Amino acid sequence: EAGVTQSPTHLIKTRGQQVTLRCSPISGHTSVYWYQQALGLGLQFLLWYDEGEERNRGNFPPRFSGRQFPNYSSELNVNALELEDSALYLCASSSWFSPTDTQYFGPGTRLTVL
Amino acid sequence: GDSVTQMEGPVTLSEEAFLTINCTYTATGYPSLFWYVQYPGEGLQLLLKATKADDKGSNKGFEATYRKETTSFHLEKGSVQVSDSAVYFCALSNTGNQFYFGTGTSLTVIP
Repeated sequence: EAGVTQSPTHLIKTRGQQVTLRCSPISGHTSVYWYQQALGLGLQFLLWYDEGEERNRGNFPPRFSGRQFPNYSSELNVNALELEDSALYLCASSSWFSPTDTQYFGPGTRLTVL
Repeated sequence: GDSVTQMEGPVTLSEEAFLTINCTYTATGYPSLFWYVQYPGEGLQLLLKATKADDKGSNKGFEATYRKETTSFHLEKGSVQVSDSAVYFCALSNTGNQFYFGTGTSLTVIP
């Protein structure tokens, strides 16, 4: 069974640009979560999508947004990039059957903002 | 609100030493508790979990026991190896599908 996949693996952007990150959950999982892991910091919760709807968001500005598609894959969009947006962006998925059960993580997308 | 506090690192141990990484939590109700591991350059992998009080999660020689009376879920391993060098995250999940992660503890095992 394929795990959570994310693309691209690495990305370099400049300040002010926009970026889109993509995530495909494990087959059968309906919930997708996005986290930001900046250097030296823990995981900061960004967004949670389930059944195509945004269910919760963390303490991030509105320029961080996303969506979930009918096939449960998800995109994270970041507008007007700032230097401090440089981080590893992790996507995780979980099952509708037991949503408080394990979250399974993808390998992440490393975003560098110059 | 719910939260997880884990021991700050970094932790450096010699090979075959005993490992303890402390984790305590604050939560209403009956959360599930997890330890995740992140190897250099990779995403997080589930290491072990426990879903109710007094449960012991174990995997790859690591163990943690869900202690409701002390609100703790400390990670232990009797004899660490160089390959255990990684960042370890304690986490809880509660009603509402929300996961809360600790800040992570970096472990380096030297030969």
